Amino acid sequence: DVKVTQSSRYLVKRTGEKVFLECVQDMDHENMFWYRQDPGLGLRLIYFSYDVKMKEKGDIPEGYSVSREKKERFSLILESASTNQTSMYLCASKRQGVSNYGYTFGSGTRLTVV
Amino acid sequence: AQSVTQPDIHITVSEGASLELRCNYSYGATPYLFWYVQSPGQGLQLLLKYFSGDTLVQGIKGFEAEFKRSQSSFNLRKPSVHWSDAAEYFCAVGAPNQAGTALIFGKGTTLSVSS
Repeated sequence: DVKVTQSSRYLVKRTGEKVFLECVQDMDHENMFWYRQDPGLGLRLIYFSYDVKMKEKGDIPEGYSVSREKKERFSLILESASTNQTSMYLCASKRQGVSNYGYTFGSGTRLTVV
Repeated sequence: AQSVTQPDIHITVSEGASLELRCNYSYGATPYLFWYVQSPGQGLQLLLKYFSGDTLVQGIKGFEAEFKRSQSSFNLRKPSVHWSDAAEYFCAVGAPNQAGTALIFGKGTTLSVSS
């Protein structure tokens, strides 16, 4: 069964900490995405990567960075965590190409910044 | 601007009753259209998708959706709801012929099922 695995389901971090959220997919997908989900706001795109070492800003990239050194792994980095970054973070991947247009999502990481 | 609107934040239906969840989009051309479902504490699962062709598409778990170009809508339906359908539902649009772009999601509709 194909999978997108997010390393932590729940995470509690302190304000000012540097936080790493990891996402690994085993489907050899070229494209990977990080979304943030908040009640009443739906999913908002933070960053995406269409290939190794490539990245594109989404709608809300401020306060975040990403790393894609290997095809299977896409990391989201909170440079200095703040309480307004408390949220559910969802990673997704898809194969490049129009005919394969459909995301596979991980189960999410619920991050609390205190 | 490209956007997806799900007008209903929360819907409650009785078990066995029919369901329709609304989705309207604003896009320059006919986009690719998707419905996802999210059970509590889980990631999103694809229910169905529309690329082209027949405007009525069938998905998993007995769901279907109809694309109406004139109304810029892609409403999700199910003839008889089961208690296990209680979840949050997201409509999404994607750019056709633009690989490497990201989906735009609506804000979601929470479905509650009463017995």
